[in-house]
Amino acid sequence: EAAVTQSPRNKVAVTGGKVTLSCNQTNNHNNMYWYRQDTGHGLRLIHYSYGAGSTEKGDIPDGYKASRPSQENFSLILELATPSQTSVYFCASGDRVSNERLFFGHGTKLSVL
Amino acid sequence: AQKVTQTQTSISVMEKTTVTMDCVYETRDSSYFLFWYKQTASGEIVFLIRQDSYKKENATEGHYSLNFQKPKSSIGLIITATQIEDSAVYFCAMRENSNYQLIWGSGTKLIIKP
Repeated sequence: EAAVTQSPRNKVAVTGGKVTLSCNQTNNHNNMYWYRQDTGHGLRLIHYSYGAGSTEKGDIPDGYKASRPSQENFSLILELATPSQTSVYFCASGDRVSNERLFFGHGTKLSVL
Repeated sequence: AQKVTQTQTSISVMEKTTVTMDCVYETRDSSYFLFWYKQTASGEIVFLIRQDSYKKENATEGHYSLNFQKPKSSIGLIITATQIEDSAVYFCAMRENSNYQLIWGSGTKLIIKP
């Protein structure tokens, strides 16, 4: 079964600090995605990637950077964290090989104080 | 513009009954994919079922099936013989063939009562 692992599972950060959320997939999928989920909203796409070395902006990229150094790893970086970035973040992978279905990590709960 | 709408915020049904959750979508593409995902109370998000726009027959997967009404841009999820563990939030999503991004609905919370 395909696996997507996120770390950390929980994170408390201070306003203005740098936060890095990591995601690793063992599925060999080309596409990886970072979403955030807030109460009352569905999943909102922050950044995504088509493969190693590529990153693309999603619907809400402001305040976030992404890095895809390898097929397996995709990071989300908050250079200057703000309280409005308090949320649950999900990483996912998927491509034509998986018949377009996405496999999700368990999520990272981020609190910015 | 692409859009996915789930108007039912919450549904509550008795165990062992059948429930239908609604979803309508907007797209200009002639080819697209429609998905349903389930998010459990623990936060885990899992894929349930998929419908390709060019297929006329409704997709089925275990006790999940779809009611695909293309002229109405509608893709309902039907769960038969519901169980307590079906209690979750269900998301509808669409991907156009020309775009790798999934467009998500806001979700429907399903509560199964014993």
